[in-house]
Amino acid sequence: NAGVTQTPKFQVLKTGQSMTLQCAQDMNHEYMSWYRQDPGMGLRLIHYSVGAGITDQGEVPNGYNVSRSTTEDFPLRLLSAAPSQTSVYFCASSSNPNEQYFGPGTRLTVT
Amino acid sequence: AQSVTQLGSHVSVSEGALVLLRCNYSSSVPPYLFWYVQYPNQGLQLLLKYTTGATLVKGINGFEAEFKKSETSFHLTKPSAHMSDAAEYFCAVSGSSNTGKLIFGQGTTLQVKP
Repeated sequence: NAGVTQTPKFQVLKTGQSMTLQCAQDMNHEYMSWYRQDPGMGLRLIHYSVGAGITDQGEVPNGYNVSRSTTEDFPLRLLSAAPSQTSVYFCASSSNPNEQYFGPGTRLTVT
Repeated sequence: AQSVTQLGSHVSVSEGALVLLRCNYSSSVPPYLFWYVQYPNQGLQLLLKYTTGATLVKGINGFEAEFKKSETSFHLTKPSAHMSDAAEYFCAVSGSSNTGKLIFGQGTTLQVKP
């Protein structure tokens, strides 16, 4: 198993551009989540999904969209990038809602 | 609603000394509690978890944590620090709706001095 994979590893965007961060897992996990990590703030939940076709907002959803058309994939879309979205983004998945496995992260810089 | 507070953003210990990283939580329902470790430029790895049952939980790399309901605490300890323990540590509590949502503390960076 590859576990949780994320692409790209690094990305630089200009303000106003859009892009999609990819997340995939090959463990047939129902639960998937997106977090952002900022210095001194820990990880904050952006969006999460409890199964294909079901998504919901987390703590900081503004400026981000998600969809879950398959069990394996959970892409995160930035609609119009802003400097405040400069962060490290982590995707996580699990079969148990109370234990999550994290991907290696995507480091995003918005200029 | 749940919340987590980690006391001390930086902790420094000498190699071989006791490691104590503090975590206090707030939860309106019985909590599930976790400690994760993050090495530089890597993702998070689960160290240990408390769900139900025994309140003293043992994890990987010699770490353990004790759930104390009366103190709303879940402190992480290791009897003897190793240089390889230098990393950032995050305490987390599960969301009340049991949907896989984790609420994280701010993180504690552990420095181990030779």
